[in-house]
Amino acid sequence: DAGVIQSPRHEVTEMGQEVTLRCKPISGHNSLFWYRQTMMRGLELLIYFNNNVPIDDSGMPEDRFSAKMPNASFSTLKIQPSEPRDSAVYFCASSPMGWNQPQHFGDGTRLSIL
Amino acid sequence: DQQVKQNSPSLSVQEGRISILNCDYTNSMFDYFLWYKKYPAEGPTFLISISSIKDKNEDGRFTVFLNKSAKHLSLHIVPSQPGDSAVYFCAATSSGTYKYIFGTGTRLKVLA
Repeated sequence: DAGVIQSPRHEVTEMGQEVTLRCKPISGHNSLFWYRQTMMRGLELLIYFNNNVPIDDSGMPEDRFSAKMPNASFSTLKIQPSEPRDSAVYFCASSPMGWNQPQHFGDGTRLSIL
Repeated sequence: DQQVKQNSPSLSVQEGRISILNCDYTNSMFDYFLWYKKYPAEGPTFLISISSIKDKNEDGRFTVFLNKSAKHLSLHIVPSQPGDSAVYFCAATSSGTYKYIFGTGTRLKVLA
């Protein structure tokens, strides 16, 4: 059974460029989460979707960040324009319906903004 | 304001011995707790969880203990194996919310 798939695995780009990270959740999972991991702040939730609808985006750092989930099998996280402080590992996770269902993580995208 | 704290950044244990990883939380609304394991260049992998109605949950070599009065949980690994070497994160959440609050992780090294 395929897990959560993220692409690209690594992204290096220059400041000011648009960056798009992609995620395919596990089939049948209703909830999707985007996280960012940094040395300073650890693993923090950016946004949460339930049934393709954004429920909580309070963790999105600023307007340069946006996320979409056009269907149950695909989500994107976009940064425009990117800045060096956005450099981090970005994880996507999905889970079945139910608050006590554990989240399953992808292997992440390591983003470096020069 | 760290609601979930893992005060030991690293831990080394001999193979075959017990590994004990600790986690403290401050929010009394948390009622579900999880442990994740993370290898380098991979995403966190769910390991074991516990609801606040229990004080212990066991799965093979892994046992999680919850002390609600102390707002403390621990993960015991017995016996420890070299393949257990990884970073371990504890996470907490509340009923009705899907938001996990993660600790900063403890790097476990099991020495052969």
